Amino acid sequence: KAGVTQTPRYLIKTRGQQVTLSCSPISGHRSVSWYQQTPGQGLQFLFEYFSETQRNKGNFPGRFSGRQFSNSRSEMNVSTLELGDSALYLCASSYRGGNTEAFFGQGTRLTVV
Amino acid sequence: EDKVVQSPLSLVVHEGDTVTLNCSYEVTNFRSLLWYKQEKKAPTFLFMLTSSGIEKKSGRLSSILDKKELFSILNITATQTGDSAVYLCAVEGGTSYGKLTFGQGTILTVHP
Repeated sequence: KAGVTQTPRYLIKTRGQQVTLSCSPISGHRSVSWYQQTPGQGLQFLFEYFSETQRNKGNFPGRFSGRQFSNSRSEMNVSTLELGDSALYLCASSYRGGNTEAFFGQGTRLTVV
Repeated sequence: EDKVVQSPLSLVVHEGDTVTLNCSYEVTNFRSLLWYKQEKKAPTFLFMLTSSGIEKKSGRLSSILDKKELFSILNITATQTGDSAVYLCAVEGGTSYGKLTFGQGTILTVHP
């Protein structure tokens, strides 16, 4: 069974640009959550999607958005990039997003210069 | 606001030692507590705990949850250099389905 796949693995962007990250969950999983990981803040929750609906959102500005498609694949978009957005972005997939095991992808390392 | 605190923040041991990592939490309507191991990129799932007093075991790793005292421990016996990693504890609760609140992590270093 394939694991959680995130693309791209590495990305370098310039301040002010926008970026789209992709996450393909484990087959059969309908919940996809996104996290930002930085050395100072640790793992911070961005948002969660279940059956194409955003159920929860963390405390991030509106520049961070996402969506989920009918095949459960999810994308995360960050507009008007800032230097502070440099981080490892991780997605996690689970069967139903509550009280079930959540598995992480390898992450996308975003560097904003 | 949900809160997870792990201790110690870092630990250095020698191969063969036994270690105990701690995780305390505050969450409304607790549903589950999860342990992960993170070496380079992706946190790797270790255990999910939902009930008090039931030990989960996988090889040299084991974990138990105490819902009354709001904490969990992760034990690693006969440590090996390959156990060197950051161990993360996370909780899920309240109405925030799909949202895990993570602790700061414990950095474990195992020397040969």
